[in-house]
Amino acid sequence: QQQVKQSPQSLIVQKGGISIINCAYENTAFDYFPWYQQFPGKGPALLIAIRPDVSEKKEGRFTISFNKSAKQFSLHIMDSQPGDSATYFCAGVGAGSYQLTFGKGTKLSVIP
Amino acid sequence: DSGVTQTPKHLITATGQRVTLRCSPRSGDLSVYWYQQSLDQGLQFLIQYYNGEERAKGNILERFSAQQFPDLHSELNLSSLELGDSALYFCASSVAVTNTGELFFGEGSRLTVL
Repeated sequence: QQQVKQSPQSLIVQKGGISIINCAYENTAFDYFPWYQQFPGKGPALLIAIRPDVSEKKEGRFTISFNKSAKQFSLHIMDSQPGDSATYFCAGVGAGSYQLTFGKGTKLSVIP
Repeated sequence: DSGVTQTPKHLITATGQRVTLRCSPRSGDLSVYWYQQSLDQGLQFLIQYYNGEERAKGNILERFSAQQFPDLHSELNLSSLELGDSALYFCASSVAVTNTGELFFGEGSRLTVL
């Protein structure tokens, strides 16, 4: 049972453009939604995270938008750079748990 | 560098064999998690240990087992290996004091079963 659905599977964006990755979750017990960034040959690393009592969180060029009623959240990367090329995973985790349930990932390629 | 160390980085073995993957968590982290990453299934949670005790189990096969030792390092044992077990196996650790969801991942052990 896939509890976090992520789209698109891959994304190509021109340098300076906006990258948008969407996720939808099923488990209403989730109360923390992190995004992880993974470069080739490396493990995932936390990028940004949000709790459902907030509709938006911004850190630099990265913004999470959260829609609790629709059970959807998205990552926006503004002014995308070639260095942002990586695989991005959204995830959900329930209260009192560290069991991250990951989406299947989005491979982002930012072309010059 | 996340501070989580995994060995070996690469491992090639044959079907039916047994392997052990090792993980040293970040200094001070009491929780260790094992994840399997494959192209079609993404990152799948296998098992979690906290201070030596099994805390949670995910989609871990009966052929797989893990443990966390008193020095907090952990080992994942994979036995009777099948071709489908070929994957990247990640270890992660966390402080486990508050629920921030932040896990620190190692660079993974790539297992190839021939």
